[in-house]
Amino acid sequence: KAGVTQTPRYLIKTRGQQVTLSCSPISGHRSVSWYQQTPGQGLQFLFEYFSETQRNKGNFPGRFSGRQFSNSRSEMNVSTLELGDSALYLCASSLGQSANLHFGNGTRLTVT
Amino acid sequence: GENVEQHPSTLSVQEGDSAVIKCTYSDSASNYFPWYKQELGKGPQLIIDIRSNVGEKKDQRIAVTLNKTAKHFSLHITETQPEDSAVYFCAAPRNNNDMRFGAGTRLTVKP
Repeated sequence: KAGVTQTPRYLIKTRGQQVTLSCSPISGHRSVSWYQQTPGQGLQFLFEYFSETQRNKGNFPGRFSGRQFSNSRSEMNVSTLELGDSALYLCASSLGQSANLHFGNGTRLTVT
Repeated sequence: GENVEQHPSTLSVQEGDSAVIKCTYSDSASNYFPWYKQELGKGPQLIIDIRSNVGEKKDQRIAVTLNKTAKHFSLHITETQPEDSAVYFCAAPRNNNDMRFGAGTRLTVKP
């Protein structure tokens, strides 16, 4: 079974721009969660989607948004990028609640 | 909300020794406690988990113990090998798949 695939692996953007990251979950997994990982704040929950609906949201500003498609693939978008948005963005899929989160290898976003 | 604290932040052991990483959590309603291993350039990978109805779980050289009264759980790695070198994270769910992660422990196993 293929694992969680995130594209692209690396991105460099300029302050003020917007960015879209993509995640393809493991086949059969309907839950997709997004996390931000930084050296200072560690792993922080952004949001979770299940069957195309946002089920949970973390404490991030409205510039961070996401969506899930009918095939469970998910995208997250960050608008009006700030230097502090530089991070590794990780997507995780799972079968259900409090189940094993299967992480992708992340998208490393650098904002200059 | 759930708060997870993890210690130590770094741990260096000699190959063959044991390593222990400890975490505490705040929400007594938490019932699922996973441990993840993250290698350089990769996402975290689940290595073992425990649910609140058991006190200990083992998988070969890895074990996790849970003390619900004290609200802490620990990861034990025996007979450590250089390939065990990585960053380890404990976690506890806030709700659904909103996992609260500890700050991580960088384990170095010296050959």
